[in-house]
Amino acid sequence: QVQLQESGPGLVTPSETLSLTCTVSGGSISDNYWSWIRQPPGKGLEWIGYIYYSGNTNYNPSLRGRVTISVDVSKNRFSLKLRSVTAADTAMYYCARDQGTLRFLEWFGYFDLWGRGTLVTVSS
Amino acid sequence: DIQMTQSPSTLSASVGDRVTISCRASQNISNSLAWYQQNPGKAPKLLIYKASTLEGGVPSRFSGGGSGTVFTLTISSLQPDDFVTYYCQQYHSYSRTFGQGTKVEIK
Repeated sequence: QVQLQESGPGLVTPSETLSLTCTVSGGSISDNYWSWIRQPPGKGLEWIGYIYYSGNTNYNPSLRGRVTISVDVSKNRFSLKLRSVTAADTAMYYCARDQGTLRFLEWFGYFDLWGRGTLVTVSS
Repeated sequence: DIQMTQSPSTLSASVGDRVTISCRASQNISNSLAWYQQNPGKAPKLLIYKASTLEGGVPSRFSGGGSGTVFTLTISSLQPDDFVTYYCQQYHSYSRTFGQGTKVEIK
């Protein structure tokens, strides 16, 4: 069955760039849309953005300008870059499979499969 | 952004109780609503999508209802594994948003 695994540094210096990768195993990344979601310690969930294997993306307006999601179809993985991080970006970061509907060239979905998550702390 | 408001924030109940969690959207989202269950230290797990469709493998004691702006998640008979946190999420807007969560605790 399809599994997702996040990887990347657990500690990032303020003002630097957070970089994470999600590797998809047991299935093709071309089959679905994929998202990043984060959860600060003790708080709720925040959607970051989605990507399709074609490179079609969309982002949370509150993060647009700092975030880039990219895909590497040959390696069956997709990645997150978040620039100019602060302590407020400290969170558990999850990748997830994004199920839903294409309307007006945008994807509207929910998350039926999640990775285990990786904790990223922003601190000097 | 569409705001999602869950109530209550905390719910105290006993094994075997029937409980209902509410989720209210700041605008009409039709039936574009999902519910998740999250155990401490774990990733969320999808329970329900399209407001009332049970995800495969989810016990039938979970049910969802509502449309428009008001939605509910009902657990017909609480089991020990159910005392965790639940989130709703709208996908009527491409910018998906979650409720703040409802923690179900043992009375």
